[in-house]
Amino acid sequence: DQQVKQNSPSLSVQEGRISILNCDYTNSMFDYFLWYKKYPAEGPTFLISISSIKDKNEDGRFTVFLNKSAKHLSLHIVPSQPGDSAVYFCAASAISGAGSYQLTFGKGTKLSVIP
Amino acid sequence: NAGVTQTPKFRILKIGQSMTLQCAQDMNHNYMYWYRQDPGMGLKLIYYSVGAGITDKGEVPNGYNVSRSTTEDFPLRLELAAPSQTSVYFCASSYLPGASEAFFGQGTRLTVV
Repeated sequence: DQQVKQNSPSLSVQEGRISILNCDYTNSMFDYFLWYKKYPAEGPTFLISISSIKDKNEDGRFTVFLNKSAKHLSLHIVPSQPGDSAVYFCAASAISGAGSYQLTFGKGTKLSVIP
Repeated sequence: NAGVTQTPKFRILKIGQSMTLQCAQDMNHNYMYWYRQDPGMGLKLIYYSVGAGITDKGEVPNGYNVSRSTTEDFPLRLELAAPSQTSVYFCASSYLPGASEAFFGQGTRLTVV
């Protein structure tokens, strides 16, 4: 049973427009969420994170929104650039307890930014 | 400025063979992890370590072993390779446990035939 779901395997966006990547989770114990970006033949790189005590975190062109009641988070990229084309993974963790060392990843969404 | 280094990058194994995937980090991180990524899937945690001499199982540990004799190195051992172990393996390290930014290596693509 997938605890972190990224229901869109792919997304295409025009350069300069907004990219919105979505992620849903089922485990109510998750209290920390991260987004990783992955280029082909490379390891994932950390992009942005958010704690459950916040509903928004912003870093330059990247903003993550968290809706705890809906168990939903989204990553907004504005404006989108061709270099943003990559696979984006949503990941979740419980800060304390038995699962605190484990990141649970979604399957990823492949973003293509069209020039 | 190496970060996390994995070797080898590619390997083909025959069923029943064994091998060790090497992972080294130079950031003095206590926490290290091994993940596998199957095609079209997210990363799944195999084993993790909270410091030298301390390791524990993740979500999918069967068929693997790890050791952590130093802070820098965290090798992953595959005994009796099976086709189900065909995957891309990523090693990662972090300053804080799970909920903090992890730094990943470039991955090892393993094929078992």
